[in-house]
Amino acid sequence: SQTIHQWPATLVQPVGSPLSLECTVEGTSNPNLYWYRQAAGRGLQLLFYSVGIGQISSEVPQNLSASRPQDRQFILSSKKLLLSDSGFYLCAWRSWGRKGYTFGSGTRLTVV
Amino acid sequence: AQKVTQAQTEISVVEKEDVTLDCVYETRDTTYYLFWYKQPPSGELVFLIRRNSFDEQNEISGRYSWNFQKSTSSFNFTITASQVVDSAVYFCALSEKYPGGSEKLVFGKGMKLTVNP
Repeated sequence: SQTIHQWPATLVQPVGSPLSLECTVEGTSNPNLYWYRQAAGRGLQLLFYSVGIGQISSEVPQNLSASRPQDRQFILSSKKLLLSDSGFYLCAWRSWGRKGYTFGSGTRLTVV
Repeated sequence: AQKVTQAQTEISVVEKEDVTLDCVYETRDTTYYLFWYKQPPSGELVFLIRRNSFDEQNEISGRYSWNFQKSTSSFNFTITASQVVDSAVYFCALSEKYPGGSEKLVFGKGMKLTVNP
């Protein structure tokens, strides 16, 4: 079956520390993958998307970067977190069923 | 560029009232998809509906109904006889293809619905 895994579920990190959020997809190949962020009380903002290994498109210039080292793995990173990086991060893939897109369960990041 | 506007940011109703959530979109393409998602306090996104641009039929699913009108670029969502469990943030979203095989899903800013007993 096709599933998406995202971890960790919650994370508290100090300002200036690095970040690595991982997302993996199972049951499909060459998926289109996406990272979204939702700041507190705000909408969902598309950060990055990828159509294949090593192919990353950035939607919003910021303190974050993304990488796709394997076909079904999408990683969101930062070298030094800022307070403004706090938020709810969602990974998604373009699934080919009724729903069209499948979302992970999200990571709630708090930068302190 | 694609754009989704949810003009209402927050609505509060009393249980059993009907409520309509507005969504207006902009796109340069003739082939696209429209979505509605529900986000309860736990944060996960719950898929409600996907509609392609060639299907303008309205849809009803239980207490939920959707009105898609290409002429006004709107995809409105109505909850009939609202219940407390409908309290959540609701997002409208638009997906369209780009050259090179990419496809992007862009969200509106969301609308927080509170249904009071």
